[in-house]
Amino acid sequence: NAGVTQTPKFQVLKTGQSMTLQCAQDMNHEYMSWYRQDPGMGLRLIHYSVGAGITDQGEVPNGYNVSRSTTEDFPLRLLSAAPSQTSVYFCASSYLRTGGTYGYTFGSGTRLTVV
Amino acid sequence: GNSVTQMEGPVTLSEEAFLTINCTYTATGYPSLFWYVQYPGEGLQLLLKATKADDKGSNKGFEATYRKETTSFHLEKGSVQVSDSAVYFCALSLFQGGSEKLVFGKGMKLTVNP
Repeated sequence: NAGVTQTPKFQVLKTGQSMTLQCAQDMNHEYMSWYRQDPGMGLRLIHYSVGAGITDQGEVPNGYNVSRSTTEDFPLRLLSAAPSQTSVYFCASSYLRTGGTYGYTFGSGTRLTVV
Repeated sequence: GNSVTQMEGPVTLSEEAFLTINCTYTATGYPSLFWYVQYPGEGLQLLLKATKADDKGSNKGFEATYRKETTSFHLEKGSVQVSDSAVYFCALSLFQGGSEKLVFGKGMKLTVNP
């Protein structure tokens, strides 16, 4: 199994540009989520989804949009990139009711730099 | 609210030293507790978990016991190796509002020297 696949691995954007970070999983997990990792801040939840067509905001949603049209895919969109969005982004997934039992599966991350 | 507080480091140890990373939590319900590990350049991997009080999670020589009375989940290893160099995250998970919410501590970077 591929698990959770994130693309791209690295990206440099100019302020104001838009882009989409891709996340795909092949484990039929209902729950998918996006985190950002910043030094000294740990991981903070941006958006999450409990199934196709259902999304909700996490701790730090401003500046990001998501959609969930299929079970497998959960893209994260930056509409107008800002330097404050320079971070490492992780996608994670789990079964909806057993994530607390088996844990989450994380992708390998996307390192984004906004200049 | 729900939160996790852990030692932040960074910590440098010599090979075969004893390791303890403290983790305490605040939660409104009965969370599951996890330790995740992030090796350089990689995503997070589940290291061990405990789903109820007094459970002990263990993996790769690491152990942690779910202590409800002290709201703690300290990570220990008796003899660390160079390959244990990584960032360690304590986390809790609660099922609320129809979904699981995972809350992380800030992470602690461990470097083990030969």
